[in-house]
Amino acid sequence: DQQVKQNSPSLSVQEGRISILNCDYTNSMFDYFLWYKKYPAEGPTFLISISSIKDKNEDGRFTVFLNKSAKHLSLHIVPSQPGDSAVYFCAASRSGNTGKLIFGQGTTLQVKP
Amino acid sequence: DADVTQTPRNRITKTGKRIMLECSQTKGHDRMYWYRQDPGLGLRLIYYSFDVKDINKGEISDGYSVSRQAQAKFSLSLESAIPNQTALYFCATSDLKAGVHTGELFFGEGSRLTVL
Repeated sequence: DQQVKQNSPSLSVQEGRISILNCDYTNSMFDYFLWYKKYPAEGPTFLISISSIKDKNEDGRFTVFLNKSAKHLSLHIVPSQPGDSAVYFCAASRSGNTGKLIFGQGTTLQVKP
Repeated sequence: DADVTQTPRNRITKTGKRIMLECSQTKGHDRMYWYRQDPGLGLRLIYYSFDVKDINKGEISDGYSVSRQAQAKFSLSLESAIPNQTALYFCATSDLKAGVHTGELFFGEGSRLTVL
């Protein structure tokens, strides 16, 4: 049972435009959400996170939006750059000291010059 | 040098063989994890450890075992490898900030295992 789902395996956008990556979750106990970015032959790296007490968190070109009622979050990248081409994983966890993340399947983003 | 180092980076083995993947970290973190990545399934947690005396099963621990030899070392063993354990394996570490775990993991570069 996939508790965190990224239903789009891939996304292609033009440089300079907005990239929107989506993620849905089923477990209402999740209260902390993260996005990781992965380049080929490297491990995933943390990108941005959001707590369930917020509905938006912004860091430079990256913004994560959380809609708790819909159990949906999205990552916006504006403007998209070719160096953003990577696999993006959404992850969720429960608060406290568990440290256990449940990951989505990943979305491969290609930003075309 | 990488903060989280995995060895070997690539390994091809045969069904039934015992395999050990090793992970060492210089970040000084107490928490360490083993994940596997499969196409279309994302990353799934195999085992995790919050300190040297603590070992916990993750989502998919069957067929695997781990050993936390020291704060900096966490190894993953496949006692008798099978083909469906062919995957990319990642070690990760994490720590607390102001007593709270943020969920931010620091990953190694991965170990690609192929079981024939």
